[in-house]
Amino acid sequence: EAGVVQSPRYKIIEKKQPVAFWCNPISGHNTLYWYLQNLGQGPELLIRYENEEAVDDSQLPKDRFSAERLKGVDSTLKIQPAELGDSAVYLCASSLGTDRDRAFFGQGTRLTVV
Amino acid sequence: AQKITQTQPGMFVQEKEAVTLDCTYDTSDPSYGLFWYKQPSSGEMIFLIYQGSYDQQNATEGRYSLNFQKARKSANLVISASQLGDSAMYFCAMREGDFGNEKLTFGTGTRLTIIP
Repeated sequence: EAGVVQSPRYKIIEKKQPVAFWCNPISGHNTLYWYLQNLGQGPELLIRYENEEAVDDSQLPKDRFSAERLKGVDSTLKIQPAELGDSAVYLCASSLGTDRDRAFFGQGTRLTVV
Repeated sequence: AQKITQTQPGMFVQEKEAVTLDCTYDTSDPSYGLFWYKQPSSGEMIFLIYQGSYDQQNATEGRYSLNFQKARKSANLVISASQLGDSAMYFCAMREGDFGNEKLTFGTGTRLTIIP
């Protein structure tokens, strides 16, 4: 079974430039999460999808961040324009959404804004 | 208030010894789930163990066990016979909310270093 796939693994951009991250969840997983992880910290939820619907985006900085999950499968997270403080690891996770089911994580995208 | 609290930023443990990583949580939901994840330097979050709020027995998965004390709202991870490969960050997490509206919240983590 293929796991959660994220790309790219690493991205270095200059501030004020746009950047996009892509996530392919495990087949059949209805729930998809995007997390932000700062160095030495735990992951913090940015947005959660149930199928194609964003059901929790309360922590997403909507002035510069956007996300989509077309057809309820792959998802893209975008930052425009990027700021120095956006440097972090962006983790994507998916789950079946049942009470006992754990979330499976991708390897993350490490973003460096210079 | 913090939903998940991990009070040990770092721990050093001798190889082959047992280690306990602390986690306390805060929720008013009667139904919730508690998870532990391991994050090695490669960055991937690896699921270790799950405990449901209604589970009568403590969860165990190989060398991992979860010491669940519901009244104290604690869910400590116990690793028996530690190995060098156990060196990593460990995160406690909680799932709460109704089906289709769950939130998964993480603690700040504990960095575990196993000493040969």
